[in-house]
Parts: sequence; C-alpha cells; structure tokens
Amino acid sequence: QQPVQSPQAVILREGEDAVINCSSSKALYSVHWYRQKHGEAPVFLMILLKGGEQKGHEKISASFNEKKQQSSLYLTASQLSYSGTYFCGTVISSGSARQLTFGSGTQLTVLP
Amino acid sequence: NAGVTQTPKFQVLKTGQSMTLQCAQDMNHEYMSWYRQDPGMGLRLIHYSVGAGITDQGEVPNGYNVSRSTTEDFPLRLLSAAPSQTSVYFCASSYRDSALPGSPLHFGNGTRLTVT
Repeated sequence: QQPVQSPQAVILREGEDAVINCSSSKALYSVHWYRQKHGEAPVFLMILLKGGEQKGHEKISASFNEKKQQSSLYLTASQLSYSGTYFCGTVISSGSARQLTFGSGTQLTVLP
Repeated sequence: NAGVTQTPKFQVLKTGQSMTLQCAQDMNHEYMSWYRQDPGMGLRLIHYSVGAGITDQGEVPNGYNVSRSTTEDFPLRLLSAAPSQTSVYFCASSYRDSALPGSPLHFGNGTRLTVT
C-alpha cells in the first residue's frame, strides 16, 4: 500500500523548476506532502483531498488526480532552502482513515 | 509552546534489552502515532492512537508495544530489542485523524536508536 514516488532524486540549479510525483494502486482519500531536511523532523507542506484540487505553499503547489490516484508536487523557481527530502503520504479510501502511509521519498538538491 | 517532545534523542541497546521511548505533546491533540525511518524506505507506521485508551497497529507493529493512558503521552516500548530495530523513530500528533483536512502531522525531533 506504500505509494510510489518518482524520481528518487533530482538536482537543480537555483531558479529551475521540478516536479515530484506520487502514485498509488488504491483509491485515495487524501494526499499529504512533507519536507524533511537532513537530521531534522519532517515538516508539513499541504494536504489535498480527492476532487483534483490544487493547493499552494509559497512557490510550491500540488495537484491530485483522483482518477489516476496520483499527486504531483510542483516546485517553481527553486531556492536553496528547498533542498531536502520530500515525502508524500496517502490515505486510502477503503482502509482505515487513520493510517497515513508514506512513500520512500524524493531527495531534492538545489545548487547555487 | 513545546509541541511534540521525544526523549531520549539517542540510545544504544544490546540485543534482548527492553526500553521505552517517550513522546509527549502539549497541543491537546487527539491523534498520536509512531513511525520508524530507515534509509530508502521512508516513514513506516508502527502504532497509532486516536485518543486516550485507544490504540491500533500500523504497518510494522511487531516487537513494539504502546499505551495511551493520557491525551498528552504516547510511549513506545521495545520488548526485546533486535538489530533490525536499529532506526530513527519519530512520534507525531495531529488535532484529529490525520486524514482530515487541516490536520497535518506535527513531528517530534526523533530518537536515533542503535541495537548491537
């Protein structure tokens, strides 16, 4: 039931854009996105509910395609502070609504 | 506002020893959970609780025990430590079930456990 994230790692220059994908084989109720910097705890970015809505946080936004059970995280005009590992977490519709299952993460490195 | 507090930050155990990882939150959150993080495997849910007196198993519960006697505290017990339990453990809380909108998980700073 673990969602699949891609790519596993990405390296950018400051100002470039990136997209991180998260997909599930199960019907999803919601998708969460978190960012973790090295040696620190994960920090919440946003939650998306089924319905295809898009949300934004600074220059980071995300979408949720309910039909495809996929979510994408968009980082535009990346900054050095965006470096870290990004995790998506999913809650499946048919299971317990209290289990948030995380993907294995995408390591993002932004170079000057 | 302390948020989610985990103790200890580091711990080394020998195989077969038992110990308790402490987790406390001061945000009056109903939902609390324990995750372990291993390289390349993301965060895996061990146990969770939706309120005092209520606990349930996550993805990887074997070898761990939890209880929730108060809203604030959610300790994680390792019954007989094994090298496979070497990991970083995170406690997290949420105002309500983490599936609900506006209820992000707040993570503690983690406990790095090594079992030799």
